[in-house]
Amino acid sequence: DAGVIQSPRHEVTEMGQEVTLRCKPISGHDYLFWYRQTMMRGLELLIYFNNNVPIDDSGMPEDRFSAKMPNASFSTLKIQPSEPRDSAVYFCASSLSGNNEQFFGPGTRLTVL
Amino acid sequence: KQEVTQIPAALSVPEGENLVLNCSFTDSAIYNLQWFRQDPGKGLTSLLLIQSSQREQTSGRLNASLDKSSGRSTLYIAASQPGDSATYLCAVRRGGATNKLIFGTGTLLAVQP
Repeated sequence: DAGVIQSPRHEVTEMGQEVTLRCKPISGHDYLFWYRQTMMRGLELLIYFNNNVPIDDSGMPEDRFSAKMPNASFSTLKIQPSEPRDSAVYFCASSLSGNNEQFFGPGTRLTVL
Repeated sequence: KQEVTQIPAALSVPEGENLVLNCSFTDSAIYNLQWFRQDPGKGLTSLLLIQSSQREQTSGRLNASLDKSSGRSTLYIAASQPGDSATYLCAVRRGGATNKLIFGTGTLLAVQP
C-alpha cells in the first residue's frame, strides 16, 4: 500500500491567494483527518470525515478554511484568502473504524508571504 | 478539557542505553492512546496503539504501557540506537463517539553514537 498521499509537498504563495491542499487516504479507510502543525500550537485537528461526511469541524480556525471529500479516495483543504499566519505544515491522516490507528501522510509545508 | 503533557521536552542519551518517555493526560476517560515518532521535516509514523482495556503493547525494542486511572503512559525503548533519534508524540482519543486525537507536545530524543 502506498500510504496516505499528499500534494503538493511544499507550497509558497502570497497573502490573499487561494491555496488548495490535496489528500488521498489509504484505500479502504473510512476516516480522514486534516491536522495543522506549528511550533507555537503543536498538532491540531482541523476537521475529520467519516464515510466522506464531515463529522467534526470545530478545529477549523475561520471561514477562510474549507474542506471537502467528494469521494472515498480524495479530499481537499482550501484556504481562501490565505494569510501569513496560515503558514504551517498540514497533515492528512486516515484510519479504519474498529481499529482507529491513524496513519499520517508526509505533510504539505505551506508558506504564505 | 483533555490536556496531554510529555516530559521531558528533550532527552539526550548515549547509544545502547534503555530509556523511558512519559505521557500524562488529565481525563482518564479515554478510548485509546497512540505513540508516534516524527523525523525532522517528515510526517508521523505510528509506533504503538494501546486500547483503553489494555495495559501494554510491544513492538520490537519498544514497549508502551498504559495506566488509565493515573492518567499516564510510558514508552520504553530498549538498547537505543542513533536511528531512534526523533520527536516522539503521544496522542489520546477521548471516549464516546468522537474519533478526535489530542496530541502531547512531544519529546525530542537524541541518541549519541
